[in-house]
Amino acid sequence: AQSVTQLGSHVSVSEGALVLLRCNYSSSVPPYLFWYVQYPNQGLQLLLKYTSAATLVKGINGFEAEFKKSETSFHLTKPSAHMSDAAEYFCAVRPPSNTGKLIFGQGTTLQVKP
Amino acid sequence: DVKVTQSSRYLVKRTGEKVFLECVQDMDHENMFWYRQDPGLGLRLIYFSYDVKMKEKGDIPEGYSVSREKKERFSLILESASTNQTSMYLCASSLAGQIEPQHFGDGTRLSIL
Repeated sequence: AQSVTQLGSHVSVSEGALVLLRCNYSSSVPPYLFWYVQYPNQGLQLLLKYTSAATLVKGINGFEAEFKKSETSFHLTKPSAHMSDAAEYFCAVRPPSNTGKLIFGQGTTLQVKP
Repeated sequence: DVKVTQSSRYLVKRTGEKVFLECVQDMDHENMFWYRQDPGLGLRLIYFSYDVKMKEKGDIPEGYSVSREKKERFSLILESASTNQTSMYLCASSLAGQIEPQHFGDGTRLSIL
């Protein structure tokens, strides 16, 4: 069975500071991994995804994530936070087969302080 | 601009009512999804449809059914609403071959009294 854990339900950073949102997964096979963002009062948007190609994945809005098999992690980073990055972020995992369902983490709310 | 549109942002219903949540997408996507979102639990898949009239149960299908008579429309039905179905409901879609959801609607916040 697959699972995903997001460490920290709330993260607060200052504008211009590094953003680091943590995600660890559990999977018996190399998974596909995803980050989604949900801005207030909106649905989710796909930020980026890892599907067994390059381990460093670049997404929209300056975000990137690195797949580290040895650490079973897929942390999301951005060098410099903007106020507009304040949102809830979800990590998700699924097996590479076309029958596997996506499993979401609990979500991390990012607060950006001026 | 591509869109997934959910018919209601807020909905209040009574226990025992039959409730319909409607979702329409304009991207000609084959796959459509219904999730519910609860604080601290992330998103959980209720049902998934990969083609017209085709459906698969997700992780929490109990108390729900779905209908997909046309490619662009996917309806979620609460057969007899209960208070534990008070939640945010999100519809999503994606292309065939991409089984993870790509585009989401803005959600329907459903309250069952």
